[in-house]
Amino acid sequence: GAGVSQSPSNKVTEKGKDVELRCDPISGHTALYWYRQSLGQGLEFLIYFQGNSAPDKSGLPSDRFSAERTGGSVSTLTIQRTQQEDSAVYLCASRIGTASTDTQYFGPGTRLTVL
Amino acid sequence: KNQVEQSPQSLIILEGKNCTLQCNYTVSPFSNLRWYKQDTGRGPVSLTIMTFSENTKSNGRYTATLDADTKQSSLHITASQLSDSASYICVVSPAYGGATNKLIFGTGTLLAVQP
Repeated sequence: GAGVSQSPSNKVTEKGKDVELRCDPISGHTALYWYRQSLGQGLEFLIYFQGNSAPDKSGLPSDRFSAERTGGSVSTLTIQRTQQEDSAVYLCASRIGTASTDTQYFGPGTRLTVL
Repeated sequence: KNQVEQSPQSLIILEGKNCTLQCNYTVSPFSNLRWYKQDTGRGPVSLTIMTFSENTKSNGRYTATLDADTKQSSLHITASQLSDSASYICVVSPAYGGATNKLIFGTGTLLAVQP
């Protein structure tokens, strides 16, 4: 079956604009994560969705960042009033369950460039 | 100080040669340690996973070792191929991660295999 997909693959925007990034997880995976990968940095956790539970938003860097997961499947990460420091690759991952040994499967990422 | 540190930052080897990548971590207690491979423009893909009680795990030409006493792990690549050129990321799952199972990522070792 298909893996995790993300769109767009690249996004260039002007400072101050809003952007939406989309993630389609693997069908049947209940857990979904968003990460940010900046140049020379390790992946930074942003937000976690698990089933119908309240999301863990503890990694969101500011209130300009928000995410939704509709119907327990597709997720959208929204960044409002983008800043140049938001430029990074945004990765989505899904996994089938909550066991720590369950593998996270990553999408190809969206490369965001804020001019 | 990062909780997961990797060395070297980058490495160039000739095709057919072996290499070893290092990971030192301070995360404690931890549930498991993974090595991921991330090709350019792609999301990370899990290569190996070891729980705290395991010492070694192989996946084809990739062999990971774990010394929980010294908090060190290594990834050995045998008979390297051009397709091994990628970033290799050490990832630790802390035992206190809770339902989110937040992973802690190293910054990666960038490997270039030259013909």
